[in-house]
Amino acid sequence: EVQLVETGGGLVQPGRSLKLSCVASGFTFSSYWMYWIRQAPGKGLEWVSSINTDGGSTYYPDSVKGRFTISRDNAENTVYLQMNSLRSEDTATYYCGVQLSYWGQGVMVTVSS
Amino acid sequence: DVLMTQTPVSLPVSLGGQVSISCRSSQSLVHSDGNTYLHWYLQKPGQSPQLLIYRVSNRFSGVPDRFSGSGSGTDFTLKISRVEPEDLGVYYCLQSTHFPNTFGAGTKLELK
Repeated sequence: EVQLVETGGGLVQPGRSLKLSCVASGFTFSSYWMYWIRQAPGKGLEWVSSINTDGGSTYYPDSVKGRFTISRDNAENTVYLQMNSLRSEDTATYYCGVQLSYWGQGVMVTVSS
Repeated sequence: DVLMTQTPVSLPVSLGGQVSISCRSSQSLVHSDGNTYLHWYLQKPGQSPQLLIYRVSNRFSGVPDRFSGSGSGTDFTLKISRVEPEDLGVYYCLQSTHFPNTFGAGTKLELK
């Protein structure tokens, strides 16, 4: 059974940083692309980042490019999202996913002073 | 960026009925590898999204055959027949042919 467990969310002030982690199990982690998407309160889904199997290629929308960094540790079956220079508009539930097929339960990030 | 226009925004349905949701893209979703990366998700209240259909018309594991996807190029449709209570929620299309990947705004399926 595929399991994805996100941690690291919380309340953070604008301009500060936060790092999300997602531990995966139930599949061969190193064989799949991994993703982060987010959902602001009461809003739709937004793609945030993708990373290929060896971590050599990463992708972001303009809304987070230069501020967010996705990475992975295939030995630890974990994908990360380093979020810097956080803004109020980054407030959302963040979901990690595998191959766009399965998503974790999500972790809330609130950016507020 | 590829704009995904999803209609309708809200879709009232009677249990046992049939509905269709449209998703149109601002440019072709045919990838250079020949595949079309258009997917459909359902998000039930308080839950994470669940994949229903991948690459236009392929039902994901465990998805009942009441769900079907069709379309090509820029015009795609999700059909749900014999609607059941567990089908209620918000449906999203997603294109992953082009970066940035983009979602439709969602269609809320609710009881009449």
